[in-house]
Amino acid sequence: KAGVTQTPRYLIKTRGQQVTLSCSPISGHRSVSWYQQTPGQGLQFLFEYFSETQRNKGNFPGRFSGRQFSNSRSEMNVSTLELGDSALYLCASSSGQGADNEQFFGPGTRLTVL
Amino acid sequence: KQEVTQIPAALSVPEGENLVLNCSFTDSAIYNLQWFRQDPGKGLTSLLLIQSSQREQTSGRLNASLDKSSGRSTLYIAASQPGDSATYLCAAPEVRGNNDMRFGAGTRLTVKP
Repeated sequence: KAGVTQTPRYLIKTRGQQVTLSCSPISGHRSVSWYQQTPGQGLQFLFEYFSETQRNKGNFPGRFSGRQFSNSRSEMNVSTLELGDSALYLCASSSGQGADNEQFFGPGTRLTVL
Repeated sequence: KQEVTQIPAALSVPEGENLVLNCSFTDSAIYNLQWFRQDPGKGLTSLLLIQSSQREQTSGRLNASLDKSSGRSTLYIAASQPGDSATYLCAAPEVRGNNDMRFGAGTRLTVKP
C-alpha cells in the first residue's frame, strides 16, 4: 500500500508570492490534516479536511487555506508569503475517526521564503 | 484543551542500553496517544498508537504505555541501536474524537556505538 505523498518536496519563494502544496493520502483514507513544523514552534495544526469539508481549523491567519478533492487529495495554499512562513509543511492521512484512528504522515514540503 | 510535554529534550545513551522516553498530557479524558519517530529533515513515522481503553502496545523492541490517571505515557526501547537515533514525538488529539493532534516538542535521542 502506497504511503502519503507530498509534492513538491522543496520550494523557494520570495515574500509576497503565493504557493500551493499538494498531498495525496493513503488509498481509502478520507481525512487529510496539515501541520506546520518550525524549530521555534514545533508542530502546529493548520486544518483538517474530511470528505471535501474542512472539519477543524487551527489558529493560523486567513492567508493559509486548503481544499480537498473528491479523490481525497488535498491542497494547501499560502498567499502573500512572509519570511516566517518558512517551515516544513506536513500532511497526515487517516481513516477519519475513532480511537483507533492512526495518523500517517508524508515526507513533507520544505518551504523557504526569501 | 490538551497540552503535551516531553522531557528531557535530548538524551544520549550507549548502544545496547534499555531506555524510557516520557510524555505528559493535561487532559485525562484522552482519546488516544500516538508515538512517532522523526529523522532530521524527514516526515514522521508512526511507531505506536494507544487507544484510551488500552494500557500498553508493543511492536518489536518498542513498548508504549498509557496511564490516564497520572497523565503520562512512556515509550520503552529495548536494546537500543545507533539506528534508533532520531527525535521521538508523542501526540494526542486536542479534543476527543477529532484529528487536531497536539504534539510534544520531542526528545532527541542519540545512541552511541
